[in-house]
Amino acid sequence: AQSVTQLDSHVSVSEGTPVLLRCNYSSSYSPSLFWYVQHPNKGLQLLLKYTSAATLVKGINGFEAEFKKSETSFHLTKPSAHMSDAAEYFCVVSIGNTGKLIFGQGTTLQVKP
Amino acid sequence: ETGVTQTPRHLVMGMTNKKSLKCEQHLGHNAMYWYKQSAKKPLELMFVYSLEERVENNSVPSRFSPECPNSSHLFLHLHTLQPEDSALYLCASSQAAGGLGLETQYFGPGTRLLVL
Repeated sequence: AQSVTQLDSHVSVSEGTPVLLRCNYSSSYSPSLFWYVQHPNKGLQLLLKYTSAATLVKGINGFEAEFKKSETSFHLTKPSAHMSDAAEYFCVVSIGNTGKLIFGQGTTLQVKP
Repeated sequence: ETGVTQTPRHLVMGMTNKKSLKCEQHLGHNAMYWYKQSAKKPLELMFVYSLEERVENNSVPSRFSPECPNSSHLFLHLHTLQPEDSALYLCASSQAAGGLGLETQYFGPGTRLLVL
């Protein structure tokens, strides 16, 4: 069965410092993995996705994620946090060809000045 | 209008009311989705429509009734809801090619529903 675990419910960083949001997945198939961001009162916006091409995926706003099959991880990183990065982040796995997305619980990123 | 729009953005209803949520996508996609986002819980997929046919009904109570009249519009009809149905209801769309697996889903801003 497919599942997603976001290891931190809340992460706090200072502006200009690196960001690491952790995600582990479980999948019987070769998974498609996504990171979405949700700002307050907004819908979800796709940051990046992995679909079995390059294991290091670059997304928007300077974010990137690395697919590590041996560790079943898909952690999201950014070298330098900006105040506008404060939001809720969701790690998501897609189940085969069903259109079903399994969402993690979300990680709230706080960026302090 | 661009992307995925949802109306209303906020809705308060009593348990005996009937209301409808509307979603419209302006992306030329052929698949649409309803999700429920409750506090402290992961997003839950409710319904999937592909080419205007329902392909997934994720064990959703019958008090939620979806309708997809064409590939651009999706409705969620609500009746006799319970307070625990209060949540953010998100609509999404994607362009499904051979399957529904790899295509990116684009989300609307959601309707914040409060059931009293």
